[in-house]
Amino acid sequence: AQTVTQSQPEMSVQEAETVTLSCTYDTSESDYYLFWYKQPPSRQMILVIRQEAYKQQNATENRFSVNFQKAAKSFSLKISDSQLGDAAMYFCASEGASGEYNQGGKLIFGQGTELSVKP
Amino acid sequence: EAQVTQNPRYLITVTGKKLTVTCSQNMNHEYMSWYRQDPGLGLRQIYYSMNVEVTDKGDVPEGYKVSRKEKRNFPLILESPSPNQTSLYFCASSLSRAGELSGELFFGEGSRLTVL
Repeated sequence: AQTVTQSQPEMSVQEAETVTLSCTYDTSESDYYLFWYKQPPSRQMILVIRQEAYKQQNATENRFSVNFQKAAKSFSLKISDSQLGDAAMYFCASEGASGEYNQGGKLIFGQGTELSVKP
Repeated sequence: EAQVTQNPRYLITVTGKKLTVTCSQNMNHEYMSWYRQDPGLGLRQIYYSMNVEVTDKGDVPEGYKVSRKEKRNFPLILESPSPNQTSLYFCASSLSRAGELSGELFFGEGSRLTVL
């Protein structure tokens, strides 16, 4: 079974500093997508960044970047210049194959990492 | 405005009383899915649909039913709710390409369900 593991239930960072959230996953697929989602106290799920597994270049979105290590099945999120608004629960997710025709659509989430930002 | 709309947002019910949580999207997305969120467990997929009349089980389908008769709607049905179905539920939609979930998932605002 496919799994996604976030080993850090809570993390803390000082405002303007850099923090890295860890994520490992397990899949037998050769082509798949990986995601980081943010859930602020409002509960809304917001896409932070997405990585396609066949692309070797790490995805970047402004202050957010990933370190994608395909062989190690690792997908960590780096937040630079942390801001108070970054405080949230962060979920790592991978897309897996499922169903009768082994097609995509089965999205598996990690347990989440609660990030707090200290002023 | 592009959005995924869930109703009700909050519901308290009793064991065994059938309920339906509706989900509607206005983005013409093919893919729709339901998740439940529980503390320490993250989000777990209940059911998903790659297109109209095509649905498949996620990781925790027991006790739930879904249907996809129209592209925009994907209701979640609890035929006989039990207390272990007390949770925060999210509906989501996305474009899909060749059977793969390649696009951003757009989430509804969540439905907090309590079963007494």
